[in-house]
Amino acid sequence: EVQLVESGGGLVQPGGSLRLSCAASGFTFSSYEMNWVRQAPGKGLEWVSYISSSGSTIYYADSVKGRFTISRDNAKNSLYLQMNSLRAEDTAVYYCARSNHGDYDFDYWGQGTLVTVSS
Amino acid sequence: SYELTQPPSVSVSPGQTARITCSGDALPKQYAYWYQQKPGQAPVLVIYKDSERPSGIPERFSGSSSGTTVTLTISGVQAEDEADYYCQSADSSGTYPWVFGGGTKLTVL
Repeated sequence: EVQLVESGGGLVQPGGSLRLSCAASGFTFSSYEMNWVRQAPGKGLEWVSYISSSGSTIYYADSVKGRFTISRDNAKNSLYLQMNSLRAEDTAVYYCARSNHGDYDFDYWGQGTLVTVSS
Repeated sequence: SYELTQPPSVSVSPGQTARITCSGDALPKQYAYWYQQKPGQAPVLVIYKDSERPSGIPERFSGSSSGTTVTLTISGVQAEDEADYYCQSADSSGTYPWVFGGGTKLTVL
């Protein structure tokens, strides 16, 4: 069974940093592209970042470019999101989501971790 | 940036057919995907590549495409189908491959 479990969320002050993790199991993690998608309270879904299976190709949404860094450790079956210079508008539930092979959709999602940016 | 437009809400009685639309200029050239999200839960993929249904998704969920509009159809709606539904697609150049619509709240009366 495919499982994605996020961790690392919490309360952080504006300008602060946080590192999210996503532990994957039930599939060959190193063969799949991965993403972070977020959802602000009461709002819709917003794609945040993508990383290829090897980690060699990375994309970011304009809203986080230059502040967030996605990475992965295939030996540990883990995905990460380093978030720096956090703003109030980054407050959201952050989901780890697996890309469907060779396509643009997300076939499995974690349960999410809440990040709150507030003083 | 590219946008996908969905109606904010759709209401339907149990047993009836619900249709949720998603409009975007690039939809004639790009596949659309649909997700169901219930309160407090992660999204679940219910339709991919316009009309394909993942394993485990009930047959009452179907998808179609016509020009710049794609439609998620739920036949014989059940109370458990009440949820938010999001479409997702890419712009025509693939520059923004992961764009979501604003979401549609399906209410089962």
